[in-house]
Amino acid sequence: EDQVTQSPEALRLQEGESSSLNCSYTVSGLRGLFWYRQDPGKGPEFLFTLYSAGEEKEKERLKATLTKKESFLHITAPKPEDSATYLCAVLTEYGNKLVFGAGTILRVKS
Amino acid sequence: DAGVTQSPTHLIKTRGQHVTLRCSPISGHKSVSWYQQVLGQGPQFIFQYYEKEERGRGNFPDRFSARQFPNYSSELNVNALLLGDSALYLCASSAGTNNEQYFGPGTRLTVT
Repeated sequence: EDQVTQSPEALRLQEGESSSLNCSYTVSGLRGLFWYRQDPGKGPEFLFTLYSAGEEKEKERLKATLTKKESFLHITAPKPEDSATYLCAVLTEYGNKLVFGAGTILRVKS
Repeated sequence: DAGVTQSPTHLIKTRGQHVTLRCSPISGHKSVSWYQQVLGQGPQFIFQYYEKEERGRGNFPDRFSARQFPNYSSELNVNALLLGDSALYLCASSAGTNNEQYFGPGTRLTVT
């Protein structure tokens, strides 16, 4: 069965304190890995798509990387407005659905 | 450009009732997917439609059904509501079945 595990469940950072979120996956053929940001009570906001091991994408303070077994979302010098839940999802070759992890709740304090 | 829109925003229903949720995709997108998200968890896949045909179904009971219209908008129907159906229902649209999916704001359903 396809599985996506995110760690840590929650992360508290001071403003400017860089860190990384992890997404490990076990899937039967990966067609794509997606990162989303979700604010409370709202729909997920698309951030990145990664398709193959070694690929990297960047957007402002965020950088996503992909290996054959996991993905990392690196946050450099975070600000309080980066506080949100970050969701990782995979698209597998045997279905047309996204399989999501439970997310990492990030809190950045000033 | 307008993003994915969903209606209604919030809904309160009683056990045993029926509910219809609506979704309009981003202009030009032909695929719509539905997800259920309960508090503290990631979204769970319910259905995907592409060009008005069902392309995927998640592990949900037959009380859940959906359809896509010629203008690519979609409806999710849930019959015989249970307390456990209380959740945020999300609609996502994409250009095709393998592309990134863009989510709407969701419909918060509360079953009492």
